[in-house]
Amino acid sequence: DAGVTQSPTHLIKTRGQHVTLRCSPISGHKSVSWYQQVLGQGPQFIFQYYEKEERGRGNFPDRFSARQFPNYSSELNVNALLLGDSALYLCASSLPGQGGEQFFGPGTRLTVL
Amino acid sequence: AQKITQTQPGMFVQEKEAVTLDCTYDTSDPSYGLFWYKQPSSGEMIFLIYQGSYDQQNATEGRYSLNFQKARKSANLVISASQLGDSAMYFCAHSPGYSSASKIIFGSGTRLSIRP
Repeated sequence: DAGVTQSPTHLIKTRGQHVTLRCSPISGHKSVSWYQQVLGQGPQFIFQYYEKEERGRGNFPDRFSARQFPNYSSELNVNALLLGDSALYLCASSLPGQGGEQFFGPGTRLTVL
Repeated sequence: AQKITQTQPGMFVQEKEAVTLDCTYDTSDPSYGLFWYKQPSSGEMIFLIYQGSYDQQNATEGRYSLNFQKARKSANLVISASQLGDSAMYFCAHSPGYSSASKIIFGSGTRLSIRP
């Protein structure tokens, strides 16, 4: 079975632009979470979606938004990019209710110039 | 609010030795999960081991074991017989509730380097 996939793998944007990151969960997983990992730090929770509904939101500004589609894939959108948005963006999928791991994708490396 | 503390920014260990990575957590949740993830230089987060707060026994997965001391709120990772491929960043993490459908709070990580 394919793992969690993310696209693109790398992205370079300039300040003020908008970006869309995509994630496809493992087949059968209905929950998708997004994390931001700034260099040298642990990942920070951004959003969690389950069955197309937002179930959790981290301490991020409204410039960050996300959605989940009927096939459980997800998009993370960031508007008005700032230099500080440069990070590795990780997507994770899971089977809710099993009390266990979240499976992470390889991430999208975003650089804002 | 939940908080994960990893006090060892970096560690050097000789190959084949055992290593313990420290993790303490702070939570008011009655039930929760604790995780350890490995992140090689490639960036992907690799799940290692999970411990539920109501689990009576310490979790083990191959060479990995989790030393869970609930009263002390610690969840140290023990790697037995370390290998060169174990060199990576290691993150301790917490999720509220007993379901994986919850946000995970990560610590700041420990960089483990294995010497040949």
